Amino acid sequence: QVQLQQWGAGLLKPSETLSLTCAVYGGSFSGYFWSWIRQPPGKGLEWIGEINHSGSTDYNSSLKSRVTMSVDTSKNQLSLKLSSVTAADTAVYYCARVLVRTLGIFSRGYGMDVWGQGTTVTISS
Amino acid sequence: DIVMTQSPASLAVSLGERATINCESSQSLLYKSDNKNYLGWFQQKPGQPPKLLIYWASTRESGVPDRFSGSGSGTDFTLTISSLQAEDVAVYYCQQYYNTPRTFGQGTKVEIK
Repeated sequence: QVQLQQWGAGLLKPSETLSLTCAVYGGSFSGYFWSWIRQPPGKGLEWIGEINHSGSTDYNSSLKSRVTMSVDTSKNQLSLKLSSVTAADTAVYYCARVLVRTLGIFSRGYGMDVWGQGTTVTISS
Repeated sequence: DIVMTQSPASLAVSLGERATINCESSQSLLYKSDNKNYLGWFQQKPGQPPKLLIYWASTRESGVPDRFSGSGSGTDFTLTISSLQAEDVAVYYCQQYYNTPRTFGQGTKVEIK
């Protein structure tokens, strides 16, 4: 059974760079998209972006200037970096596997079926 | 960006009764090339990550009890819990996969009356 295990620093100061890693165990890395989502305390879910096994990315435009996602296929890991953090970036961060349907040359995601346990990141001076 | 609007924000239902959650998208989520609506439903319990219940608007994820069902097409969708159980107390979210950013509804909190 596929499991996602994530880790990274939980307490940062404003202007620092958030860095998280998500490891995929028990399943294939290719054939899926991989997404990062965050949830501020007591609030709803926000999609940060996603990446495929080839490293092609798609970021939320609201965070695009500060986000970098990458994959290490040799380790079945994906990573998220968010620069210049502020208190507004305080949230639980999740990685998730995205199911993909391929139609001809196009691939479309359609459901996040496996999630990491979440990492609480607090930004405070 | 596609805006997802859920209603109600919260509802209280008696055990064994039906719970209905609505989700409206600001544009159609029907992808004509495969006639599928790119809409998913999630359940989130406190302290846990979201759990996928439904994808393509009406396809139940493996292992999800059949009391959960999804319906709708285009811009209007519904998640129904046919007979509410105590373990169904949670916040439910819809999410569109028609394009990016993959936006979520604001969530509906389901409680026991």
